[in-house]
Amino acid sequence: GENVEQHPSTLSVQEGDSAVIKCTYSDSASNYFPWYKQELGKRPQLIIDIRSNVGEKKDQRIAVTLNKTAKHFSLHITETQPEDSAVYFCAASKGGKHGGSQGNLIFGKGTKLSVKP
Amino acid sequence: NAGVTQTPKFQVLKTGQSMTLQCAQDMNHNSMYWYRQDPGMGLRLIYYSASEGTTDKGEVPNGYNVSRLNKREFSLRLESAAPSQTSVYFCASLLTGVRMNTEAFFGQGTRLTVV
Repeated sequence: GENVEQHPSTLSVQEGDSAVIKCTYSDSASNYFPWYKQELGKRPQLIIDIRSNVGEKKDQRIAVTLNKTAKHFSLHITETQPEDSAVYFCAASKGGKHGGSQGNLIFGKGTKLSVKP
Repeated sequence: NAGVTQTPKFQVLKTGQSMTLQCAQDMNHNSMYWYRQDPGMGLRLIYYSASEGTTDKGEVPNGYNVSRLNKREFSLRLESAAPSQTSVYFCASLLTGVRMNTEAFFGQGTRLTVV
C-alpha cells in the first residue's frame, strides 16, 4: 500500500521568512496530493492540493510543487506570519472505481511549524 | 450544511468496555474514513469505506470494527477497549472516483481515554 514520508517533523522560522515542507510517496499510481493544516485542538482543514497532471499550484502565500518522476511534493509558505503556526500534513491518494478499494487517503506524520514574531 | 458530524466529542472508558463512535455526512460523499491521531504519529487510517456496503482495513485496524450503515453514516466500534486505544479519533468523508479524488472533510474529533 501507499506510504507517505514527511520532513521535517518540526520547523521553526522567523516571521517573514519562508517555510518548506517536503513529502515523498511510494505508490506511483497516486494522483492527488492535498495539504492540510491543523490548529491546536481543531480538525484538519485543506489548504491546497495538487493533481498529478500539474507540476505546481499557487494560492497567495502558499504553493505546492510536484515531481512525479521522483515521487515527491513540497509545500512552500512565503512571508510567514504567526497565524501560520500549526501542524501541517501532506497526503496522497489515487482515484478508484466506485465501490473499489483504491480510494484511500494516506497521511504523512505531520510537521509542526512555529513562526516566531 | 453540517458537513461531517461526529459524536461524542469526549469519552472515558474503562479497560474492557465497548463503545461506538458515530459519524454522519450530508455532502453526498461516497467514501468515508476513520483515523486515529497520536502525538508524533500523524493521522493513521483505521478503516475506510469506498461506497455504501463496502469496508476495507487501513493501517491499524486491530481492535476495531466498522459499519457503513448507509451512504451518510459510518460508525467505528471498540469491542473491548484497551489503554493503547487512547487517542483522538477523526472521521472524514470525500468524493472518490475514477482517476481523481476531492477534498476530504473532517469531523470535529473524539478524544477517547481508556483507563
